[in-house]
Amino acid sequence: GENVEQHPSTLSVQEGDSAVIKCTYSDSASNYFPWYKQELGKRPQLIIDIRSNVGEKKDQRIAVTLNKTAKHFSLHITETQPEDSAVYFCAAIGQAGTALIFGKGTTLSVSS
Amino acid sequence: GAVVSQHPSWVICKSGTSVKIECRSLDFQATTMFWYRQFPKQSLMLMATSNEGSKATYEQGVEKDKFLINHASLTLSTLTVTSAHPEDSSFYICSASPGTGDEKLFFGSGTQLSVL
Repeated sequence: GENVEQHPSTLSVQEGDSAVIKCTYSDSASNYFPWYKQELGKRPQLIIDIRSNVGEKKDQRIAVTLNKTAKHFSLHITETQPEDSAVYFCAAIGQAGTALIFGKGTTLSVSS
Repeated sequence: GAVVSQHPSWVICKSGTSVKIECRSLDFQATTMFWYRQFPKQSLMLMATSNEGSKATYEQGVEKDKFLINHASLTLSTLTVTSAHPEDSSFYICSASPGTGDEKLFFGSGTQLSVL
């Protein structure tokens, strides 16, 4: 089955800096890669996703890149703000109707 | 986006009792729902895949007799934690997809279970 590795586990940046979180996946058949932001005690919130037929996607300060050959994808947050502080999870899925497999998460701390 | 409702959001129970958690898709039909468990400061771990009208598929290491899943309709899946013990205390969260080729999953609000 799918296995998703995520790094780093913790990330501390100064407000205004960029943050990058990286994930690798094992199943070459996986074709959908979402990123979630989770605050304590809350459900994960989808912040951006990318499908395997696209190499990069951007939404304001957030971007995701995908390298299918290397089986890794990354989340990029620019101009970080304190409210970006949260736990971020990457995930991968093989087919519609199957479960998301999550990485272990990255705790992002943005200090002002 | 699609809405998934989960109840209760918080439950405290005595050791040995059973707890039922409901997950409903409010504005779409879900032939498949997924149940995850999340311990503090850890990731979401898939417990089982709930299939409408058939038996759930459990992940390795998840006791099917302890975590009973029923998916009797296209909009409702339930997870019953039987004979709960303190080590079952966790955040349980369900998710579902409208399907039709869309892989996006929508999550319930989660249930924090505390077993005394």
